[in-house]
Amino acid sequence: QITLKESGPTLVKPTQTLTLTCTFSGFSLSTSGVGVAWIRQPPSKALEWLAFIYWNDDKRYSPSLKTRLTITKDTSKNQVVLTLANMDPVDTATYFCAYSLRNNYFDPWGQGTLVTVSS
Amino acid sequence: EIVLTQSPATLSLSPGERATLSCRASQDISFYLAWYQQRPGQAPRLLIYDAYNRATGIPARFSGSRSGTDFTLTISSLEPEDFAVYYCQQRSTWPLTFGQGTKLEIK
Repeated sequence: QITLKESGPTLVKPTQTLTLTCTFSGFSLSTSGVGVAWIRQPPSKALEWLAFIYWNDDKRYSPSLKTRLTITKDTSKNQVVLTLANMDPVDTATYFCAYSLRNNYFDPWGQGTLVTVSS
Repeated sequence: EIVLTQSPATLSLSPGERATLSCRASQDISFYLAWYQQRPGQAPRLLIYDAYNRATGIPARFSGSRSGTDFTLTISSLEPEDFAVYYCQQRSTWPLTFGQGTKLEIK
């Protein structure tokens, strides 16, 4: 059974850097074709894809956030880390991580973690 | 960037009725489209991938179709647990993009 869980701060101040961790089980990020993505959802709004990391360390970023985003993996710890620099109140959202196998669709998802940006 | 436009924004139906949700892509994405269901307070769940294929464990009342750049999610007979928000997502071209969602509510 594949499970993912997001962790990190619930509140960050404007201009700070957000660091979120996705801890997963049921698969290895060293297996060919496997990827983990981050997606966010502002309150009562639509989903927005942020970043993707693959088993071979290939990385993809949303162009609108590329200069602020970094995604890394620690295969030994079964973790994927996302950092988002220079946080702003518009970055307030629930952040999800999700699993993908060879097709860039997301299944399953973690439960999500709500991050609020406020001074 | 490929824009996915979902319609209607809100759909009000009764249990047992048939639901038809639409997603239009701004350019050709072949069949590279998925549908997700999101219930209140929950993470999205994959329903349909590559336009037509039901994900593991998804009931047969959910089906997907495609006509050019127009995609449809059909729920043949609504169950109470089907009232939720539905999103489409394309994987044809980077960046990956989602539609703005259709809320399926009880009439």
